[in-house]
Amino acid sequence: GQQLNQSPQSMFIQEGEDVSMNCTSSSIFNTWLWYKQDPGEGPVLLIALYKAGELTSNGRLTAQFGITRKDSFLNISASIPSDVGIYFCAGQGTSGTYKYIFGTGTRLKVLA
Amino acid sequence: NAGVMQNPRHLVRRRGQEARLRCSPMKGHSHVYWYRQLPEEGLKFMVYLQKENIIDESGMPKERFSAEFPKEGPSILRIQQVVRGDSAAYFCASSPTSGSIDEQFFGPGTRLTVL
Repeated sequence: GQQLNQSPQSMFIQEGEDVSMNCTSSSIFNTWLWYKQDPGEGPVLLIALYKAGELTSNGRLTAQFGITRKDSFLNISASIPSDVGIYFCAGQGTSGTYKYIFGTGTRLKVLA
Repeated sequence: NAGVMQNPRHLVRRRGQEARLRCSPMKGHSHVYWYRQLPEEGLKFMVYLQKENIIDESGMPKERFSAEFPKEGPSILRIQQVVRGDSAAYFCASSPTSGSIDEQFFGPGTRLTVL
């Protein structure tokens, strides 16, 4: 089955630093999504990517859909303490389906 | 406009008991999806329902698990004769239409602990 490898698994950074994380797939995806999950809550959609090569921003967040359609990255610029949480990538493997395959998450901790 | 509601937020059961998890979709949403999240893992799709219909249950374990979304009332995920391995966070999401990639909104989850 399709798998998503997300890295790094966890990271500690200083407030103000930029953060980069990525997701790679064993097969092609048609859509990439990035979510943030706060402790004890459900995931919240941050960015959705629909086309290979697409680069999309949402405030301090920027995500790109890799040209090969097998990877995506998420950058957070000038991190702040409230960026702490778990960031998940999710992919949609077959056009028109509603099922997402989720990565295992990157746990981000920001040191003030 | 209330978001997706799930209750209870935390549920503790002993092995062999039944667990019933409820999900009320957002107003105007008639499509519900259930996901399971094991500790330190991502969410895994379980089942997709519309009102009174199970559309896709390919992610549901074959035994002990069932789901429904009646014409009136919340969607229910039922786990019979729970075992320790059922301990996880269960999330539901709802969307206004099917296949709405970026229109699935997640609830806060129910954290099930089986003793």
